[in-house]
Amino acid sequence: DQQVKQNSPSLSVQEGRISILNCDYTNSMFDYFLWYKKYPAEGPTFLISISSIKDKNEDGRFTVFLNKSAKHLSLHIVPSQPGDSAVYFCAASAKSSGDKLTFGTGTRLAVRP
Amino acid sequence: SAVISQKPSRDICQRGTSLTIQCQVDSQVTMMFWYRQQPGQSLTLIATANQGSEATYESGFVIDKFPISRPNLTFSTLTVSNMSPEDSSIYLCSVLGTSGRAHSYNEQFFGPGTRLTVL
Repeated sequence: DQQVKQNSPSLSVQEGRISILNCDYTNSMFDYFLWYKKYPAEGPTFLISISSIKDKNEDGRFTVFLNKSAKHLSLHIVPSQPGDSAVYFCAASAKSSGDKLTFGTGTRLAVRP
Repeated sequence: SAVISQKPSRDICQRGTSLTIQCQVDSQVTMMFWYRQQPGQSLTLIATANQGSEATYESGFVIDKFPISRPNLTFSTLTVSNMSPEDSSIYLCSVLGTSGRAHSYNEQFFGPGTRLTVL
């Protein structure tokens, strides 16, 4: 049972444009959501997070939006840069489960120069 | 954020053998986690390792197959025992921390991973 889903395995965006990566979850107990970026041969790098008490969190070029009623979150990157090309994982955790992370399957973002 | 190193970075092993993966953190941490990422798959939590107590394993993972040690607050090992080709994966350790950014808490920070291939 995949509790966190990223339905788009890949995304290609022109440099300078907006990249929108989507994530859906099924477990209503999740109360904290994170995005990670992963380059080949490296571990995932924390990018940005959002608590379930908020609907938006912004950090520089990265903004995460949370729609709890739809159990959906998205990561916006604007403007996209070639260095953003990587695999992006969304993850979710619940206080009731000891903050263990449940990851989505990842979306490979390619930013074209 | 913590700096995490893993050894080995990669290995190719024969079926039936065992491999021990080391995870070293540059600061003392209470909780350490071990994950597996099979080819084309997501990261799956194997177990949570707290210093001074037995590791807690997730459904589908057992101590006999993946014994874990946590001798102190900066180090842990994961052993993949009696390996089969299905164990070919990237194994990652992570620690709980905080990035210090606004609205953020309890992020997990990952090591670079160990790429294991079992023939």
